[in-house]
Amino acid sequence: QVQLVESGGDLVKPGGSLRLSCAASGFTFSDFYMHWIRLAPGKGLEWVSYISDSGRTLDYADSVKGRFTISRDNAKNSLYLQMNSLRAEDTAVYYCARDPKYLPDYLDYWGQGTLVTVSS
Amino acid sequence: DIQMTQSPSSLSASVGDRVTITCRASQSISSYLNWYQHKPGKAPKLLIYAASYLQSGVPSRFSGGRSGTDFTLTISSLQPEDFATYYCQQTYSTPQTFGQGTRVEIK
Repeated sequence: QVQLVESGGDLVKPGGSLRLSCAASGFTFSDFYMHWIRLAPGKGLEWVSYISDSGRTLDYADSVKGRFTISRDNAKNSLYLQMNSLRAEDTAVYYCARDPKYLPDYLDYWGQGTLVTVSS
Repeated sequence: DIQMTQSPSSLSASVGDRVTITCRASQSISSYLNWYQHKPGKAPKLLIYAASYLQSGVPSRFSGGRSGTDFTLTISSLQPEDFATYYCQQTYSTPQTFGQGTRVEIK
């Protein structure tokens, strides 16, 4: 069955860096777009970043542009999010989600999330 | 960015009740509207895509509707496992945006 398992969340100081990973299984990873979405305490879901199936097309929310980098390794069935210059407002549970590339777009499977806490 | 306004932000209901959640888009999004269910500590789950299409495996008591820029998620007979937070999402334009969520609690 489809599984997405995030890892790498941690407590980090403001200005620090973190790399999140998402291990995919149960489907042909290279056939799907992938996204990162986050849920901050007391807030709603926020889309963070997108990567195409080939990895050639990327997109970011304005709130993370220039600080976060999304990437993927289709040979390892893995998605990544490199997070630099972290701020307190980046504190959230980060989810990876699968996009089956249909129109209209939707996210049909999500992971259980990994917690990132940015605090001194 | 397209703003998605959900109402109510929370509601209390009993098992067996009919529940309707509304999501209003700040501009036309055609039918590029999805609904998700989220329980604490769990992966969010896709319920409805393209405004009214039931995702495979989702019980038929869930349904979605559209009238212009207003969208609804209806649970025809609330079950104990339905107590959760529900989010709408538009994917009409980048960035995709979510509503602020509706928490459905036990009365």
